[in-house]
Amino acid sequence: SAVISQKPSRDICQRGTSLTIQCQVDSQVTMMFWYRQQPGQSLTLIATANQGSEATYESGFVIDKFPISRPNLTFSTLTVSNMSPEDSSIYLCSVESSGEYNEQFFGPGTRLTVL
Amino acid sequence: TQLLEQSPQFLSIQEGENLTVYCNSSSVFSSLQWYRQEPGEGPVLLVTVVTGGEVKKLKRLTFQFGDARKDSSLHITAAQPGDTGLYLCAGQYNFNKFYFGSGTKLNVKP
Repeated sequence: SAVISQKPSRDICQRGTSLTIQCQVDSQVTMMFWYRQQPGQSLTLIATANQGSEATYESGFVIDKFPISRPNLTFSTLTVSNMSPEDSSIYLCSVESSGEYNEQFFGPGTRLTVL
Repeated sequence: TQLLEQSPQFLSIQEGENLTVYCNSSSVFSSLQWYRQEPGEGPVLLVTVVTGGEVKKLKRLTFQFGDARKDSSLHITAAQPGDTGLYLCAGQYNFNKFYFGSGTKLNVKP
């Protein structure tokens, strides 16, 4: 398994501002993902963070709103741009292991509140 | 649109009771995983199943993968308050991305 940390763990932001969330993994991984989760609900995949190329976004998510960086195999950032209250959510990064099965491991999440 | 449907959405039971959670899809999975999540934390992987008909046991938890690899179930025997949490299934298609089910909130009362 991989150990994943996220910063910040939580933040309260004003409408119209941007927040960058960092995800750090303790080992090199090929696949990293960013998810959004409303408290107590399921996870929605935002994008796959690709090392050395642009992220791959899911339907309903665009690069202008959620720019993603992946400078190396252990680090990624997700920026939530021009925030509105509808962006209030938990943002989680995950990595896929390179073991026998393609298993996912998650960071602790970043709880974002937009006022 | 959810690719995976979980049921039930909510479950509140007494300590010692048994329960089953279901995860269904119209598509075939290359693998399926079950997670448990507690408030303020990320989901924690419980099990991965990859073979149709496969059954895996983890103490009081039994996981089954459907023969056609389109559905799965999680059965908990003699539930305990420590089992309380959000249970999520996640299916992987063509060894690519993972898609999560709608989630089941379990509350086990002492």
